[in-house]
Amino acid sequence: GQQVMQIPQYQHVQEGEDFTTYCNSSTTLSNIQWYKQRPGGHPVFLIQLVKSGEVKKQKRLTFQFGEAKKNSSLHITATQTTDVGTYFCAGPGTNAGKSTFGDGTTLTVKP
Amino acid sequence: DTEVTQTPKHLVMGMTNKKSLKCEQHMGHRAMYWYKQKAKKPPELMFVYSYEKLSINESVPSRFSPECPNSSLLNLHLHALQPEDSALYLCASSRTGGSGTEAFFGQGTRLTVV
Repeated sequence: GQQVMQIPQYQHVQEGEDFTTYCNSSTTLSNIQWYKQRPGGHPVFLIQLVKSGEVKKQKRLTFQFGEAKKNSSLHITATQTTDVGTYFCAGPGTNAGKSTFGDGTTLTVKP
Repeated sequence: DTEVTQTPKHLVMGMTNKKSLKCEQHMGHRAMYWYKQKAKKPPELMFVYSYEKLSINESVPSRFSPECPNSSLLNLHLHALQPEDSALYLCASSRTGGSGTEAFFGQGTRLTVV
């Protein structure tokens, strides 16, 4: 089935530093979604990207979808302690209704 | 109301017990999902209900039995579980069952099988 690979697995940053996580697929994705899961919490939808080359911003978060629609990234500018958690990308699966999650990138922020 | 509510939040059960997990949403979503999540791993899809019909079963063992009584409710019946089934069980819903629709997750049931 369709898989999305996510790197890095872990990222430790000092508060104020930037952070980026990358999601890659061997096949073209019709769309990609990003979720954030706080420690002990549940995944929360952040955004969906659909168009080739799309860039969307949410305050300090910037999401990009590659021109070939095979990769995506999430960049956080000037991290804060509230940014800690695991960020997952999710691509559409082979069946309608089935999303395939990447392995996630766990971000820790040192104050 | 943009919430997916799951009960119970925590459950400890023996391997011979029968229990049920419950999930409810009132957003008018027509697709509902059960996921299993082990520590430090991504959610793994178990079942998808679309318009109250089971549309995807990801080869889940029969000791897990889903049920969708109506468009707002989703149950997961558990019987004869194994310790390795201990995990966070997440319910989610989306407007439709098509891929690429935003999924709303419940807070999950943290299940421990002893």
